[in-house]
Amino acid sequence: DVKVTQSSRYLVKRTGEKVFLECVQDMDHENMFWYRQDPGLGLRLIYFSYDVKMKEKGDIPEGYSVSREKKERFSLILESASTNQTSMYLCATVRRGLHYEQYFGPGTRLTVT
Amino acid sequence: QKEVEQDPGPLSVPEGAIVSLNCTYSNSAFQYFMWYRQYSRKGPELLMYTYSSGNKEDGRFTAQVDKSSKYISLFIRDSQPSDSATYLCAMSYLLPIIQGAQKLVFGQGTRLTINP
Repeated sequence: DVKVTQSSRYLVKRTGEKVFLECVQDMDHENMFWYRQDPGLGLRLIYFSYDVKMKEKGDIPEGYSVSREKKERFSLILESASTNQTSMYLCATVRRGLHYEQYFGPGTRLTVT
Repeated sequence: QKEVEQDPGPLSVPEGAIVSLNCTYSNSAFQYFMWYRQYSRKGPELLMYTYSSGNKEDGRFTAQVDKSSKYISLFIRDSQPSDSATYLCAMSYLLPIIQGAQKLVFGQGTRLTINP
C-alpha cells in the first residue's frame, strides 16, 4: 500500500522561527513535491525534486527552501516563518512517467502567530 | 488570468442527483487532465485522468474533455453521501528541462455535499 507520511498534522510556530516540515515516502518514487493549499487558491506548487539533491522552484518559492538528501525524504524549510505562511502544506510523490497520479500525504496545518 | 479556473462552490445536492463539476483553462500546452478527490482532513487522491478530448467513464463517474473549448467536466451519477468531498481538477504539461517530468496545475477545488 502506497504511503506518504508527513512529520506533523498540526504545528504552531512563532514569527521568525525556522520551521522544518518533513515528508517520507516508501514507494521508491523519483519525483517529490511540496504544495500549499489555501481557500480559494487551491494547491500551489512551492518546490519539487526529481532526484536526490536535485530541486526546482515551483510557482511560489519565496520564503521557502528544500532539501532532498535521500530518495525517500523531502524536507521543506521556512527560513523565517511569517504569518502569511499560515497554511496547509501537502507533500506529494509520483513515479517518473506516471506524473498524473500524484500520491499525497495527509498534510500539515501550520499556524504562524 | 489563472491558468485553470474552477468554481469553488460550495455545491449542495440531494442524494441520487447528477452532479456536474467544471473547469476551464487557458494553456494550450496542457496534455493530461485529471480529477482529484479530497476528503476532509486528508490529502487529495486521484479519481480519474484523461489524455484526449472525449469522455472517459469509470462506474458512476464520467470525465469529459473538450480541448477546442478548453473545458473539462466531471459528472457524478446517482450521487451518494460518501461522494461529499472537495473535487480538484488538475492539468499537466511537459517540463522541457527535466526528461519525463510534467508539472501539474490545480484548480481551486469545488466543495461538494450530497444530502441524504
